[in-house]
Amino acid sequence: QVQLQESGPRLVRPSETLSLTCTVSGGSFSHYYWSWIRQAPGKTLEWIGYIYYTGSTVYTPSLKSRVAISLDMSKSHFSLQLASVTAADTAVYYCARVSDGWSNFDLWGQGILVTVSS
Amino acid sequence: DIQMTQSPSSLSASVGDTVTITCRASQSISMYLSWFQQKVGKSPKLLISASSSLRNGVPARFSGGGSGTEYVLTISSLQPEDFATYYCQQTASTPYTFGQGTKLEIK
Repeated sequence: QVQLQESGPRLVRPSETLSLTCTVSGGSFSHYYWSWIRQAPGKTLEWIGYIYYTGSTVYTPSLKSRVAISLDMSKSHFSLQLASVTAADTAVYYCARVSDGWSNFDLWGQGILVTVSS
Repeated sequence: DIQMTQSPSSLSASVGDTVTITCRASQSISMYLSWFQQKVGKSPKLLISASSSLRNGVPARFSGGGSGTEYVLTISSLQPEDFATYYCQQTASTPYTFGQGTKLEIK
């Protein structure tokens, strides 16, 4: 079955760039959106953005100036970069698969806690 | 952005009870409404999509409904494994947004 797994540094210094990768195993990228979501400690979920398998992207406006999502199907992964981080970016970051049509977030990775601190 | 207002923020109930969680959107979302269950330290699990469509493997005691701006999640005959936090989410338009969550606790 399809599985998603986040990876990357768990500690990032303020003003630096947060970089995470989501490895997709057991399935195809085609006809799905691939999304990043985050959850600050004790808070609700915040959608960051997605990339369609064709490469088109949409980002949430509040992060648009700092975020980039890319896709590398040859390596079976998609990635998140968030620039100029501050302590407010400390959160559990999840990757998820989003189906076409109703945009169901039907499959999630286990999440990775990223702390922004000097 | 579409704002999602979820109520109540917390709820105490007993095994066997029936509970209802409400989610209100700031504008019509035409049934583009999902419900998730999240347990502590785990990723969210999709329970219901398109307002009322139960996902494969989700027990039938979970049900959803609503249209326009008002949606509900009902859990009948609560089981011990149902005590968790529940979130609604709209996918009618980007940016996709979530409710603030409802923490369901054992009374």
